Amino acid sequence: DIQMTQSPSSVSASVGDRVTITCRASQGISNWLGWYQQKPGKAPKLLIYAVYSLQSGVPSRFSGSGSGTDFTLTISSLQPEDFATYYCQQADSFPPTFGQGTKVEIK
Amino acid sequence: QVQLQESGPGLVKPSETLSLTCTVSGGSVSSGSYYWTWLRQPAGKGLEWIGRHHPSGSTNYNPALQSRVTTSIDTSKNHFSLRLTSVTAADTAVYYCATAPIASNYGWFDPWGPGTLVTVSS
Repeated sequence: DIQMTQSPSSVSASVGDRVTITCRASQGISNWLGWYQQKPGKAPKLLIYAVYSLQSGVPSRFSGSGSGTDFTLTISSLQPEDFATYYCQQADSFPPTFGQGTKVEIK
Repeated sequence: QVQLQESGPGLVKPSETLSLTCTVSGGSVSSGSYYWTWLRQPAGKGLEWIGRHHPSGSTNYNPALQSRVTTSIDTSKNHFSLRLTSVTAADTAVYYCATAPIASNYGWFDPWGPGTLVTVSS
């Protein structure tokens, strides 16, 4: 299985801050990388797919970048509703796998 | 748009079979454009993909669970189902159903059901 490693595991930030989360795959996954947001007690929500593509309805302050094995999710200006846990997921190889999550907490 | 809702027993005894159903509204499980998918998340932990089922009959299961997993689709009831046999405490988790477009290779999962907690305990 492809291992997905996220860093940091948690980050404390303030409203308005720029937040960057990285995700590294144990082997190349081309552009088969997605990002999800999960709030406590809720199902994950797809934010970004295929590295860059914003899912319909997702605010433009979220963006993705990267290629091969190294990827980044950036929140350009953190809003109160963005405090949550974020997961990356590879869709390149069977079985699809997720990172361990990055919790974005209020500073 | 498509909405999903999981249902099934919240408590299953060790060595027994976990059975869940995901009811689809706003769309059809007969749609060949999607894989109907199951995932799970133990409390406080990450996400694990369990398997997927295409209306053509094609299925794929996580090798870690393959010997114990079966999925099915019931077009008359517009729902799809998961069976996991010989459960242990390690199978205690929130179970989610989700859909993924076939063009997304092994992803992307959207939408998801709200999830249902299944506890394995005697």
